[in-house]
Amino acid sequence: AQSVTQLGSHVSVSEGALVLLRCNYSSSVPPYLFWYVQYPNQGLQLLLKYTSAATLVKGINGFEAEFKKSETSFHLTKPSAHMSDAAEYFCAVSGVEYGNKLVFGAGTILRVKS
Amino acid sequence: EAQVTQNPRYLITVTGKKLTVTCSQNMNHEYMSWYRQDPGLGLRQIYYSMNVEVTDKGDVPEGYKVSRKEKRNFPLILESPSPNQTSLYFCASWQGGSSYEQYFGPGTRLTVT
Repeated sequence: AQSVTQLGSHVSVSEGALVLLRCNYSSSVPPYLFWYVQYPNQGLQLLLKYTSAATLVKGINGFEAEFKKSETSFHLTKPSAHMSDAAEYFCAVSGVEYGNKLVFGAGTILRVKS
Repeated sequence: EAQVTQNPRYLITVTGKKLTVTCSQNMNHEYMSWYRQDPGLGLRQIYYSMNVEVTDKGDVPEGYKVSRKEKRNFPLILESPSPNQTSLYFCASWQGGSSYEQYFGPGTRLTVT
């Protein structure tokens, strides 16, 4: 079965430090890739998406992600963490090999220390 | 404003008491889906619908029913809720075709005692 793996269920960074959240997928063809963010007690908000155009994708709130086919990865980064970035982040994939589903990773909770 | 709405947002019920969670979208999307979110498991698809009167099972359909009588609505029905259905539920919609981006509702937190 096609799957999505997010390495690290919890990540802790200091304010101002680099944020790196890892996502790897299993697929024989490049899928559509998404990062969603969920703030406490809220729904899911789309951060950014890759749909086979540029491999470096810029999203909202200063986040970006790079699609690397050779590594089957779509890691999320932000150069400088802000306290307001504390949330849970979900990587998700879709496409032909995933049928009509958006398959989610287990999520990574980001903690930002002052 | 384009949106997906769900009601209720919070629900506490008892085992065996039938309930319905409503979902509505105003974007004229073809596809709709229900997910449940559990800690450490991410979101898992329960059911989805490709159009009116067309539905199919997702990864965790047991104990749930859905219907799609109108394009904009996709209610989730729990005929006989059990405590293992305590979860956070999300409804989503998307256009389909080459568009895989899904739009999510605000979530419904269900507790079954």
